[in-house]
Amino acid sequence: QVQLQESGPGLVKPSETLSLTCTVSGGSINSYYWSWIRQPPGKGLEWIGYIYYSGSTNYNPSLKSRVIISEDTSKNQFALNLSSVTAADTAVYYCARHNSNGTPRFDPWGQGTLVTVSS
Amino acid sequence: DIQMTQSPSSLSASVGDRVTITCRASQSISSYLNWYQQRPGKAPKLLIYAASSLQSGVPSRFSGSGSGTDFTLTISSLQPEDFASYYCQQSYSTPPTFGQGTTLEIK
Repeated sequence: QVQLQESGPGLVKPSETLSLTCTVSGGSINSYYWSWIRQPPGKGLEWIGYIYYSGSTNYNPSLKSRVIISEDTSKNQFALNLSSVTAADTAVYYCARHNSNGTPRFDPWGQGTLVTVSS
Repeated sequence: DIQMTQSPSSLSASVGDRVTITCRASQSISSYLNWYQQRPGKAPKLLIYAASSLQSGVPSRFSGSGSGTDFTLTISSLQPEDFASYYCQQSYSTPPTFGQGTTLEIK
């Protein structure tokens, strides 16, 4: 079955760029949509954006000016770049398959990775 | 953006109880509503999609209903592993948005 694993630095300085990678195993990213979602400590879930295997993207308007999601099909990975980070970007970041067949839904999810923004 | 509001925010119950969590959308979303369970320190897990369809592998004690703006998640007989947080999510329009969550605690 498809599994996802996030990787990247756990600490990022304010004003710098947060960069994470999601590695997909057990299936190809050459289908479906693939999303990033985040959860600040003790708070709710926020969708960041998705990429389709064709390379098309869609971002949450609240983050659009700072987000880039890209893919590397040769490595079966997709990536998140979030620029100009502040403490408000401290969160657990999840990657998830965005199943768009019928009712779009997120399944499965990676285990998540905590990114702290601090100097 | 479509706002999703869950109630209650927290709920205390006992093993064997029947519990219901509600989710209200700020506009009609037809049946484009999903439910997730999140245990502490873990990623969310899809339970119900399209308002009432049970995800493969999810126990049948979980059920969902509703359409339009009002939805419910029901657990027919609580088990110890069900004490967790639950989130609704609309997929009617972009950006997809989540409710603020309901934490189910042991009484």
